[in-house]
Amino acid sequence: DIQMTQSPSSLSASVGDRVTITCQASQDISNYLNWYQQKPGKAPKLLIYDASNLETGVPSRFSGSGSGTDFTFTISSLQPEDIATYYCQQYDNLHYTFGQGTKLEIK
Amino acid sequence: EVQLVESGGGLVQPGRSLRLSCAASGFTFDDYAMHWVRQAPGKGLEWVSGISWNSGSIGYADSVKGRFTISRDNAKNSLYLQMNSLRAEDTALYYCAKGGLTFGGVMSYWGQGTLVTVSS
Repeated sequence: DIQMTQSPSSLSASVGDRVTITCQASQDISNYLNWYQQKPGKAPKLLIYDASNLETGVPSRFSGSGSGTDFTFTISSLQPEDIATYYCQQYDNLHYTFGQGTKLEIK
Repeated sequence: EVQLVESGGGLVQPGRSLRLSCAASGFTFDDYAMHWVRQAPGKGLEWVSGISWNSGSIGYADSVKGRFTISRDNAKNSLYLQMNSLRAEDTALYYCAKGGLTFGGVMSYWGQGTLVTVSS
């Protein structure tokens, strides 16, 4: 099975900061990499699909990049409402794997 | 508006069984794959199982393979998860999620979850 290594596990940043989260796959997954946001007490929400495509209605400050084994998720200018835990997710051969999550806090 | 409403959770003893249901509305259910994803208290997300639109492709996490069975009834717009031989480590909030047109698509909508607690 493909393993996903997401880092950092937690992150503290100030409003307006650029925030970057990385996800590394244990083998080549092409661009089958999605990013989700989960706010406390809420269900996850899809933000980015196929590594770099912004889901409809998601603010443009969110972006994703990468292919193969190395992927990056970026918030260009952190807003207070972005406080959440972020997860990467991959799909391969009838099996999905989530990263461990990155808990984002405001400094 | 897409709606996914899970039900069937509760407190169950180790070794017993439970069946979860997910009622879907607001989209053409039989066009899409569906998934179950769980989250143990204070932990991250874990994909449990997925099923294609016609039940032709089914996948399970290694942690539940042989104990859980996913199924769907397209006539009733419903998804199910039969959970047998439950263990303490199966305690989690179980989410139903709408997949893509193929098994490998994204999980674009999620329900609010149903809580399963396995304890004696």
